Amino acid sequence: EAGVAQSPRYKIIEKRQSVAFWCNPISGHATLYWYQQILGQGPKLLIQFQNNGVVDDSQLPKDRFSAERLKGVDSTLKIQPAKLEDSAVYLCSSKGTSAEQFFGPGTRLTVL
Amino acid sequence: GIQVEQSPPDLILQEGANSTLRCNFSDSVNNLQWFHQNPWGQLINLFYIPSGTKQNGRLSATTVATERYSLLYISSSQTTDSGVYFCAVSSGNTPLVFGKGTRLSVIA
Repeated sequence: EAGVAQSPRYKIIEKRQSVAFWCNPISGHATLYWYQQILGQGPKLLIQFQNNGVVDDSQLPKDRFSAERLKGVDSTLKIQPAKLEDSAVYLCSSKGTSAEQFFGPGTRLTVL
Repeated sequence: GIQVEQSPPDLILQEGANSTLRCNFSDSVNNLQWFHQNPWGQLINLFYIPSGTKQNGRLSATTVATERYSLLYISSSQTTDSGVYFCAVSSGNTPLVFGKGTRLSVIA
């Protein structure tokens, strides 16, 4: 069974530029999450989807971050414009019918 | 929301030594997972263990849900065990909440 896929693995941009991350969850998993992990900290939730609907986006900085999961499968997370403090690893996770979550390899973003 | 505390924050071991990592959580949960984060940032699932005891090779974990803690045991540690170990919990359909992690360094 294929795991959670993410791309790109690494991205370096300058502040005020835009960036987008892509996630393909495990096949059949209805729930998808995006987490942000700042260096030295544990991952923190940005947004949770159930199929193509948003369940929780209370921690998403909506002035610059957006996310979508139009067909209930793949998801895209966008940052526009990026700030220095957005430098982090962005992790995508999915969950099926059990409570166990599975994580992708992450995208390491550096904002200069 | 649920609070997760991990201890110790840092641990240095000689290769071959055993260790115990602890995770305390503030409320009842229906999911508890242990992860190992590798140097490239990927979270590797170690255990899905909302209650009871599981073993996988040199690693084992125990969760006592009624007392709101979990323990991860590493026996005969190897340098490849180095990295950050995270405990994460959730209840109902909520997302995982992570602790701050334990950074383990195993020295040859």
